[in-house]
Amino acid sequence: DIQMTQSPSSLSASVGDRVNITCRASQSISSYLNWYQQKPGKAPKVLIYAASSLQSGVPSRFSGSESGTDFTLTISSLQPEDFATYYCQQSYSTPYTFGQGTKLEIK
Amino acid sequence: QVQLVQSGPEVKKPGASVKVSCKASGYTFSAYGISWVRQAPGQGLEWMGWISGHNGKTKFVQKLQDRVTMTTDTSTSTAYMELRSLRSDDTAFYYCAREVVEVAGSYWFDPWGQGTLVTVSS
Repeated sequence: DIQMTQSPSSLSASVGDRVNITCRASQSISSYLNWYQQKPGKAPKVLIYAASSLQSGVPSRFSGSESGTDFTLTISSLQPEDFATYYCQQSYSTPYTFGQGTKLEIK
Repeated sequence: QVQLVQSGPEVKKPGASVKVSCKASGYTFSAYGISWVRQAPGQGLEWMGWISGHNGKTKFVQKLQDRVTMTTDTSTSTAYMELRSLRSDDTAFYYCAREVVEVAGSYWFDPWGQGTLVTVSS
């Protein structure tokens, strides 16, 4: 199975900050990497698919990039509604696997 | 709009079975697969398996393949996930999610159902 290692596991930041969350795959997954946002008591919601494609309706302050087996989710200017938990997920092969999550909290 | 609506919460005893439903609307059910993902309270996401909306073909994570069954009813656009021989560590929110496929071969989950809490307790 492909292991997805996400960092950091938690992060404190302020409104307006630029934030990066990283996900590393245990083997090559091409660009088959998705990012999800989950708020307390809610289902996850896709933000970025195929490493860097912005899902329709998602604000442009969210972006994704890749370098080999390393993937980064960037939020360019944090807004109050962005405080949530973020997960990466590989869709290269089954079983699909998720990172352990990054909880983004208000500083 | 595309929507997945799941059945309500369940409380089961160890050793019992549970069947969760996921009713789709707003799209052609047979054109997409459905994945099931679970999340223990306060924990991360675990993919359980997938079923084709077209022909019922399935794939499961190895650790669950002996205890899980996934089915569809195309006449009602509903997917089902049954988990047998329940244990306390099966206590979790269970989500269904539509699997979207891009021409280039990328897959992602959108949308997700609202989740169904299954509690396993004696």
